[in-house]
Amino acid sequence: ILNVEQSPQSLHVQEGDSTNFTCSFPSSNFYALHWYRWETAKSPEALFVMTLNGDEKKKGRISATLNTKEGYSYLYIKGSQPEDSATYLCAFSNTGKLIFGQGTTLQVKP
Amino acid sequence: SQTIHQWPATLVQPVGSPLSLECTVEGTSNPNLYWYRQAAGRGLQLLFYSVGIGQISSEVPQNLSASRPQDRQFILSSKKLLLSDSGFYLCAWSVWGLGDRETQYFGPGTRLLVL
Repeated sequence: ILNVEQSPQSLHVQEGDSTNFTCSFPSSNFYALHWYRWETAKSPEALFVMTLNGDEKKKGRISATLNTKEGYSYLYIKGSQPEDSATYLCAFSNTGKLIFGQGTTLQVKP
Repeated sequence: SQTIHQWPATLVQPVGSPLSLECTVEGTSNPNLYWYRQAAGRGLQLLFYSVGIGQISSEVPQNLSASRPQDRQFILSSKKLLLSDSGFYLCAWSVWGLGDRETQYFGPGTRLLVL
């Protein structure tokens, strides 16, 4: 059974703090790693798709890194803002399907 | 541009009643289509996916079924709902043929409460 673990489960930070969270996935037969942001009452929104070991992607204040050999990805948010409050999901794929972690719920206090 | 619709947005059903959730995609042809469920306290779980009309793959044994009667229509059904079917149901699509490196785009979801 393929398992994707995300940590921490939840995080509370103050506006302006930088933060990061982890996604762990099976390191064998890697194909792609996806990050999504899921805001309350909205649909999950794609942030990044990463396929190569050492990939780094950036979108505004959010960036992600990928280590396929050891099976982890980090998501970083620089200078968190209240609008960054959401659940961040990672999903691993190697057979044409996405396997999601349980997500990290981020709450940014003004 | 592509759009994905789901309805209804919210549904409260008694145990043992039937279910039909519909998902339609606009602005693309021959998409891959997916049904996911998020149960309380759990992550998104893939239920079904389809690569074409009439082609359905089931991921987990359950009392749910899926059908794809048209290219851009995906339906999730049940003949008799269980309490454990409660959750948030999301439909998603991706571009056909590009495998799992391709982004999936999610609909607004249906919140189902079985009482």
